[in-house]
Amino acid sequence: DAKTTQPNSMESNEEEPVHLPCNHSTISGTDYIHWYRQLPSQGPEYVIHGLTSNVNNRMASLAIAEDRKSSTLILHRATLRDAAVYYCILRDSDLGGPLVFGKGTRLSVIA
Amino acid sequence: DSGVTQTPKHLITATGQRVTLRCSPRSGDLSVYWYQQSLDQGLQFLIQYYNGEERAKGNILERFSAQQFPDLHSELNLSSLELGDSALYFCASSVDGGLTDTQYFGPGTRLTVL
Repeated sequence: DAKTTQPNSMESNEEEPVHLPCNHSTISGTDYIHWYRQLPSQGPEYVIHGLTSNVNNRMASLAIAEDRKSSTLILHRATLRDAAVYYCILRDSDLGGPLVFGKGTRLSVIA
Repeated sequence: DSGVTQTPKHLITATGQRVTLRCSPRSGDLSVYWYQQSLDQGLQFLIQYYNGEERAKGNILERFSAQQFPDLHSELNLSSLELGDSALYFCASSVDGGLTDTQYFGPGTRLTVL
């Protein structure tokens, strides 16, 4: 079973920041937090990952709570191309490489 | 373009038949994963190979099998097909299959079983 909880859907206006929340209250100390997204009719694509500290890359930022029980993916300026299903995934040392996808959050971006 | 290729893009077949899906990983990636995406089950991990050896197994049916060849391409074989096997099948590859490894997904093969 997926160990994360995300809202089913969210909506954002174009060019506004978007904060996508994820709860993972049973996270263990060695679990990495990964975010992937799936654009319509495409395979999933990597967005960002982190362990304890906040992370930034060209696509997004990842804010991780101090107790690591939740995290937030931040898209600084949503574009129409960001409309996708966003998956928050924990990767643990027991499972290793495979990604365990939950239902994710479907993000709609309004022009 | 992720660099992962999958063939064919679409496959339509009948119940009871057998099909083979093919995946070519990104250059230099040693690990290959197969995932199934259906409307009711979402994205589910099937199996992982690393440098020709099976590394992890997920919700893969006994009717399904896979292998990774010396040139690192992989094939997923689905036999005795049922209507419920209709789904999108994605292949992903990564450098070494580790916890922080990025997985790059192919465009998928859409299988329709009639």
